[in-house]
Amino acid sequence: AQSVAQPEDQVNVAEGNPLTVKCTYSVSGNPYLFWYVQYPNRGLQFLLKYITGDNLVKGSYGFEAEFNKSQTSFHLKKPSALVSDSALYFCAVRDQAGGSYIPTFGRGTSLIVHP
Amino acid sequence: DAGVIQSPRHEVTEMGQEVTLRCKPISGHDYLFWYRQTMMRGLELLIYFNNNVPIDDSGMPEDRFSAKMPNASFSTLKIQPSEPRDSAVYFCASSLNSGYNQPQHFGDGTRLSIL
Repeated sequence: AQSVAQPEDQVNVAEGNPLTVKCTYSVSGNPYLFWYVQYPNRGLQFLLKYITGDNLVKGSYGFEAEFNKSQTSFHLKKPSALVSDSALYFCAVRDQAGGSYIPTFGRGTSLIVHP
Repeated sequence: DAGVIQSPRHEVTEMGQEVTLRCKPISGHDYLFWYRQTMMRGLELLIYFNNNVPIDDSGMPEDRFSAKMPNASFSTLKIQPSEPRDSAVYFCASSLNSGYNQPQHFGDGTRLSIL
C-alpha cells in the first residue's frame, strides 16, 4: 500500500525568506515522488519528481525537493519565496513495487507568501 | 503543444438535469484520469483509462456517474441525474505510458454547480 501525508494545511512565509512545504510517504518498495502546484481556478501543474539518484531534485520556478529515505520524506523547498508562489501544493507518491499505476495525492498545503 | 483541454469551464444547472463534461487529452498520452476536487474530500480519483479502456472505476460514487472514452482524443464524464452534492471541480488528466515515473498533466477543470 502507498500513502502520503502533508502535515501542514497552511504555511505562511514572508517574501524573500526560504520556504519549506513538508511531505512524508509510505510505500512497500521504493517510491516515485512528485510535487504539483495549483493556482486559483487552474489545474495541478507538475513541478518536479524523484525517481532515483541524487537526493536533491531541482524543478520549475526555482523549486527543489530533498528526498530523505531514512525519514521517508520529500520536502519541497525554495531559497527565496515570492508572493507569486502563493498557491496550493500537492505531494504524490507511486510505489515502484506496486501494481497500480495510480498515484496517491496528499490533501494539499496552502502556501501564503506575505509581501 | 496544447495541454489537456476541458469543456465547459463552468456549468450551472438544476438538480435532476444531465451533465456532460468533456476532455481532450494530450496527443500521444495513453492514460486518462478523471478526478473530483472538493474542500471536504480533497482530490478524488473517479476513473481512469488506458488505451481507451476503463481500468478502474471504483472511485465513481454512484451509478449516476458514467465515463466513456470512444477514441484516444476524447473522453466524457456524465452525471444523470445530477444532485447538489455533485457540485465540485472536475479535472481530467493524462499521462504517458512509459512507466510509473511519468507525471500527470491536468486540465484546468470544470467547475460544476448543481442548484
